[in-house]
Amino acid sequence: EAAVTQSPRNKVAVTGGKVTLSCNQTNNHNNMYWYRQDTGHGLRLIHYSYGAGSTEKGDIPDGYKASRPSQENFSLILELATPSQTSVYFCASGAPTGYEQYFGPGTRLTVL
Amino acid sequence: EQQVQQSPASLVLQEAENAELQCSFSIFTNQVQWFYQRPGGRLVSLLYNPSGTKQSGRLTSTTVIKERRSSLHISSSQITDSGTYLCAMDPSSGSWQLIFGSGTQLTVMP
Repeated sequence: EAAVTQSPRNKVAVTGGKVTLSCNQTNNHNNMYWYRQDTGHGLRLIHYSYGAGSTEKGDIPDGYKASRPSQENFSLILELATPSQTSVYFCASGAPTGYEQYFGPGTRLTVL
Repeated sequence: EQQVQQSPASLVLQEAENAELQCSFSIFTNQVQWFYQRPGGRLVSLLYNPSGTKQSGRLTSTTVIKERRSSLHISSSQITDSGTYLCAMDPSSGSWQLIFGSGTQLTVMP
């Protein structure tokens, strides 16, 4: 079965600090995505990637950077974390021709 | 404007009742997907239904492209069906940048 893992699962950060969220997939999917989920907003796309070395901005990229060093790994970077970035972050992978996205378990980030 | 609207926001059923969840879109799309999420859990894809009617077990989805809507019917609900149901669409066909609705929170009581 498709496997997407995320680390850490929970993170508490201080305002102004740097936070890196990591995602690993063993599906050999080209596409990977980072979303955040907030009450009343559903999931919103932050960044996505079509393959190693590529990153694209999603709907809400401000304050976030992404890195795709390999097919398997996709990171989300908050250079200067703010309390408004407190949320649950989900990573997903998907094949370019497929219609399904496989999600990781999520990372709960709290910025104090 | 929210591009994906879901209704109802919450729904409480007795076990064995049927549920009807609705999703409407602000633009035309032919890529619609339904997901399930337990509280605090990951999303699981339920059905991909770009048009017409698709069935998987007790789940039936109907998408009408020209009316910009999709529905998910759950028959004979079970307590384990409780959770949040999300619909999502791809606004630019084939790019797989999904836009999600806010979800319908379903509670099935014994």
